[in-house]
Amino acid sequence: GQNIDQPTEMTATEGAIVQINCTYQTSGFNGLFWYQQHAGEAPTFLSYNVLDGLEEKGRFSSFLSRSKGYSYLLLKELQMKDSASYLCAVPTSGGSYIPTFGRGTSLIVHP
Amino acid sequence: GAGVSQSPSNKVTEKGKDVELRCDPISGHTALYWYRQSLGQGLEFLIYFQGNSAPDKSGLPSDRFSAERTGGSVSTLTIQRTQQEDSAVYLCASSLALGTSGDYNEQFFGPGTRLTVL
Repeated sequence: GQNIDQPTEMTATEGAIVQINCTYQTSGFNGLFWYQQHAGEAPTFLSYNVLDGLEEKGRFSSFLSRSKGYSYLLLKELQMKDSASYLCAVPTSGGSYIPTFGRGTSLIVHP
Repeated sequence: GAGVSQSPSNKVTEKGKDVELRCDPISGHTALYWYRQSLGQGLEFLIYFQGNSAPDKSGLPSDRFSAERTGGSVSTLTIQRTQQEDSAVYLCASSLALGTSGDYNEQFFGPGTRLTVL
């Protein structure tokens, strides 16, 4: 099985940088996803990490350390529209690779 | 092309009634997933279809829940004898076939069906 832990809520100021952490425990590892979900909307894909290190994509970057069971999502130059829930998901191992989602971190960006 | 669509967008039903929720995946996506999300909670996996393989039903919470996927495309999630605790947003997602370790295919989610059981 696997457990995924994320902070429940974070707040940050427009223009700042915020780091959202995710720790996981899994019997096997097949990569880690980050999704963004605005209130009342469906989740949308942000990133996927399977190797250790930092993956940068515009204002968003995602980091993975497999040995520590740890990932973070880094958001730079925060905008008001970044206020959303950020979901960490880890696919199961074995015969299928179905992502199991954490509860998500609700990010509130204020002026 | 069109994304994943779900219907209805909202469903209000009385306790004990049966409901059917529909999902139309993206054309060409062989993998289809159902999740549910209660207020303030994460996504709870329900069931997964992959091509013609037997579905992974390991997430279904009880035998009142069932799903089918006809012709490898449209899927229907059925909840029999609904209970108040079934109230949630039911999300469907599709992707290309899940690959081996190191390979991935992102999930594309539909807008969800908000189910309210009175």
